[in-house]
Amino acid sequence: DSGVTQTPKHLITATGQRVTLRCSPRSGDLSVYWYQQSLDQGLQFLIQYYNGEERAKGNILERFSAQQFPDLHSELNLSSLELGDSALYFCASSIRLGSADTQYFGPGTRLTVL
Amino acid sequence: DAKTTQPPSMDCAEGRAANLPCNHSTISGNEYVYWYRQIHSQGPQYIIHGLKNNETNEMASLIITEDRKSSTLILPHATLRDTAVYYCIVRVANAGNNRKLIWGLGTSLAVNP
Repeated sequence: DSGVTQTPKHLITATGQRVTLRCSPRSGDLSVYWYQQSLDQGLQFLIQYYNGEERAKGNILERFSAQQFPDLHSELNLSSLELGDSALYFCASSIRLGSADTQYFGPGTRLTVL
Repeated sequence: DAKTTQPPSMDCAEGRAANLPCNHSTISGNEYVYWYRQIHSQGPQYIIHGLKNNETNEMASLIITEDRKSSTLILPHATLRDTAVYYCIVRVANAGNNRKLIWGLGTSLAVNP
């Protein structure tokens, strides 16, 4: 158990819909990262927040957005969903922003778009 | 966009050492090498990381070459539960000097009885 929690574990929805994925970081961790993993693919970095502020952006679509709240939990919002958005979405957290920044991953949310 | 190169798959006999290689020839001087593993769709699990010196923890050992262009993760006594995809990752700094991990496809390690 990494200490990072994600909800829901599974999500099934239809094309065109909007969903919100939630992540609670490990106690004391200030950075939250979001990743997407499609079938048999590596992890694609989406976005990083540090203490409530966006710090790095990866291959995140404009239909996707995220935020980190004052209590440090984070939400990833996916809208106008397409079939290709079906994937595992992982959240990771780390304690700081520095050069040695070990990330601890949650169990993921499996999104299925029908 | 991956900055590391790993063999796509490897086999190892149970109880033997598993040596997983990684090339990262473009690594910068102050960039760490990280190793994670992912067991069938679970969240990736941190294993070890290092900068210049060899590192060892309860899970594995990390050997980094002197020129830092490659490294080897060693699982000293592999068990069936070590069957997973192993990722070697380096951090890449973007224009704002904020670093992100670039994940490749990793090495799928099969530990056989």
